[in-house]
Amino acid sequence: ELKVEQNPLFLSMQEGKNYTIYCNYSTTSDRLYWYRQDPGKSLESLFVLLSNGAVKQEGRLMASLDTKARLSTLHITAAVHDLSATYFCAVFGDSNYQLIWGAGTKLIIKP
Amino acid sequence: EPEVTQTPSHQVTQMGQEVILRCVPISNHLYFYWYRQILGQKVEFLVSFYNNEISEKSEIFDDQFSVERPDGSNFTLKIRSTKLEDSAMYFCASLWTGVEKLFFGSGTQLSVL
Repeated sequence: ELKVEQNPLFLSMQEGKNYTIYCNYSTTSDRLYWYRQDPGKSLESLFVLLSNGAVKQEGRLMASLDTKARLSTLHITAAVHDLSATYFCAVFGDSNYQLIWGAGTKLIIKP
Repeated sequence: EPEVTQTPSHQVTQMGQEVILRCVPISNHLYFYWYRQILGQKVEFLVSFYNNEISEKSEIFDDQFSVERPDGSNFTLKIRSTKLEDSAMYFCASLWTGVEKLFFGSGTQLSVL
């Protein structure tokens, strides 16, 4: 059974600081997704990581994938308040049929 | 950017009533999904749909649930007899294969009283 674990589940940080969210998954997968969710809102796609060693960056967010370690990271550089949200990682198994989600990391960035 | 459209945005119903949640996936996508999220919790897979049939379903997707793609554009989720624990945000999604990007609708907040 594919399991996805995120940590930390809750993160409170000051503006300007750097931090990393980790996503581990239990079986082989070649597709990992990062989403952002604001309270009461839908799921906004941030990154799609499709191969080992993939690295993608958008503004202050950078995501990477190590398929051998079954680990993805979401790094936040010089955090700003607008990045406060819940961040989810999700992984497809060996088919397009079921996307398994981590529990989410609630990020609060204080001015 | 193309969008997945969901209606209604909010639905309030009495326990035991039937509800139909509607979705219009992106037109040239082939894989469609329903997920749900109970307030403050993780996103849960319900069902995937490919080539006009269910390809996989979770334990949550019991006999009270059904999906249809009646006219080639709409994709519906029906709950026959709602329970209190069905209260959640329900998201529809479609997959752009090749790019492997999964697009989500804005969700339907279902409240069962």
